[in-house]
Amino acid sequence: TQLLEQSPQFLSIQEGENLTVYCNSSSVFSSLQWYRQEPGEGPVLLVTVVTGGEVKKLKRLTFQFGDARKDSSLHITAAQPGDTGLYLCAGDAGSARQLTFGSGTQLTVLP
Amino acid sequence: EAQVTQNPRYLITVTGKKLTVTCSQNMNHEYMSWYRQDPGLGLRQIYYSMNVEVTDKGDVPEGYKVSRKEKRNFPLILESPSPNQTSLYFCASSSGTSGTYTYEQYFGPGTRLTVT
Repeated sequence: TQLLEQSPQFLSIQEGENLTVYCNSSSVFSSLQWYRQEPGEGPVLLVTVVTGGEVKKLKRLTFQFGDARKDSSLHITAAQPGDTGLYLCAGDAGSARQLTFGSGTQLTVLP
Repeated sequence: EAQVTQNPRYLITVTGKKLTVTCSQNMNHEYMSWYRQDPGLGLRQIYYSMNVEVTDKGDVPEGYKVSRKEKRNFPLILESPSPNQTSLYFCASSSGTSGTYTYEQYFGPGTRLTVT
């Protein structure tokens, strides 16, 4: 089983600050997805990165896939309380078993 | 509205009493999965199905059964629940893979199960 480690596990910041969440593995993935989960709901896809070195932007969120396709990062600029949630990365090994999820980063943005 | 539905949303039961959690999707997706979510462990795959009558084990299949008799439904069965199966369960569906990467997974709202 391929493992994905996310850091930090918990992050509490003030509105307006910047932050970065990391997702690391010793395994190579064909793609990597980032999801956000809010209390009482299932995860919702934010982005999929496919190519090594790829950078994708979603408003104030910037996602990067490592050159070797073993790691990824999520950077949030000027965080807002609406960004609060559990952020999950999920690696795709290209097999029928689909995704392997990281343990998640619980982000709290204080007003 | 495209969605994945699960029932029940909350369930408290006792050890050994068989239960079924239903999952249904209206997107005509071929792939469906069941996950459990526990604090600090993220989402772990229990079983998945690539199509009708095709199911396979995920990372934590012990104590669970599934069936896929229809494309839209993928029930999770606990024949003899135990306290270590207390968890938050999610059903998910997707249209599969492109051959290069896995398409987006759509998750249900979750079922919180407590086994006493």
